[in-house]
Amino acid sequence: NAGVTQTPKFRVLKTGQSMTLLCAQDMNHEYMYWYRQDPGMGLRLIHYSVGEGTTAKGEVPDGYNVSRLKKQNFLLGLESAAPSQTSVYFCASSSVPGQGFTDTQYFGPGTRLTVL
Amino acid sequence: TQLLEQSPQFLSIQEGENLTVYCNSSSVFSSLQWYRQEPGEGPVLLVTVVTGGEVKKLKRLTFQFGDARKDSSLHITAAQPGDTGLYLCAADTSGTYKYIFGTGTRLKVLA
Repeated sequence: NAGVTQTPKFRVLKTGQSMTLLCAQDMNHEYMYWYRQDPGMGLRLIHYSVGEGTTAKGEVPDGYNVSRLKKQNFLLGLESAAPSQTSVYFCASSSVPGQGFTDTQYFGPGTRLTVL
Repeated sequence: TQLLEQSPQFLSIQEGENLTVYCNSSSVFSSLQWYRQEPGEGPVLLVTVVTGGEVKKLKRLTFQFGDARKDSSLHITAAQPGDTGLYLCAADTSGTYKYIFGTGTRLKVLA
């Protein structure tokens, strides 16, 4: 049981390049989330998904796209990277609260992205 | 944008001391969570509080939810170096299980 895994762990991009971050969970969780963490800013929600095939915008969605084609995977895409997207990105997953489960979010180890 | 303010931002104390960390907002929370994050890792949930006035204890950590469900505190008794980390509060203000996070309190406990 690996929990939540993220790939890659580190990446350096040039301005304008694109990339996809992959999040995978093996806990059969319905909800998945993408956050970014910047110094002094806490974690900010980018996009989230409440089930396979669904996505929704979070607090800071501009410049990012997501897809949830399979229940266990949640992809975060940057189409044209900008220096302002330099950050640490965390993925999380949780069960559906209120169905006998808690709303505990389980986080991955993070992806450190630098955009030059 | 709703804000969750945490104080203090930084705290450096000696082993054995007590400390309290605060999480405040002008909004009412459906529920509030406390996480601890260590360098290079994702946050790990410590506790969830849902009822105004609720107090939960986790070994040397005591969590309190304000009566009006707008604030919370985390008290650590006899801090140990293993308590070192970034403490984050997260609140669900809309009942949609979409949490906003506070800016964090970075705690360092010196041996």
